[in-house]
Amino acid sequence: EVQLVQSGAEVKKPGESLKISCKGSGYSFTSYWIGWVRQMPGKGLEWMGIIYPGDSDTRYSPSFQGQVTISADKSISTAYLQWSSLKASDTAMYYCVNTKTTVTPFDYWGQGTLVTVSS
Amino acid sequence: SYVLTQPPSVSVAPGQTARITCGGNNIGSKSVHWYQQKPGQAPVLVVYDDSDRPSGIPERFSGSNSGNTATLTISRVEAGDEADYYCQVWDSSSDLGVFGGGTKLTVL
Repeated sequence: EVQLVQSGAEVKKPGESLKISCKGSGYSFTSYWIGWVRQMPGKGLEWMGIIYPGDSDTRYSPSFQGQVTISADKSISTAYLQWSSLKASDTAMYYCVNTKTTVTPFDYWGQGTLVTVSS
Repeated sequence: SYVLTQPPSVSVAPGQTARITCGGNNIGSKSVHWYQQKPGQAPVLVVYDDSDRPSGIPERFSGSNSGNTATLTISRVEAGDEADYYCQVWDSSSDLGVFGGGTKLTVL
């Protein structure tokens, strides 16, 4: 059974750093892309970026380029989304997703990680 | 960057047909995927590649795509279909993914 299990909810202060994770199982981790999707409170889904763990090929939406870093450790089948300096506007639910190619759909979604940034 | 436009809301009575549109420049040349999201839950894929259904999704859910508009059609709408629906494509010209703004389906 394919599963994407994300790390737990986080409460951080502005300016702090954060790295959240997404562990894949039940499929060949290095043969599928892993993407990240943001959903701000009461808002829609936003495509942030995507990584191919097999060769670390990474693409970012212009809205998120330079604001976050997407990475993956194929030795432990885990993808990451990290911030070096959080802002209050980063408060959102973050989902990881997987897909066979960039044009195929997001078949599987993680349960989501709620990030709250507040002073 | 590529933009997908959805109506913010659609309302329909139980048993009727709901149609949710997703507009984009020459979207007919792209593969469109649709996701359903109920409150407090992660989204679920309901239609992929314009008109295919994943296993477990009722036949009441169907899709079409032509020209500048893709459409998700839900026949014989039930109260349990009330949710937010999002279209999504991969824009090959920018090599990036895109979601529509989402449509809230209300079952009257």
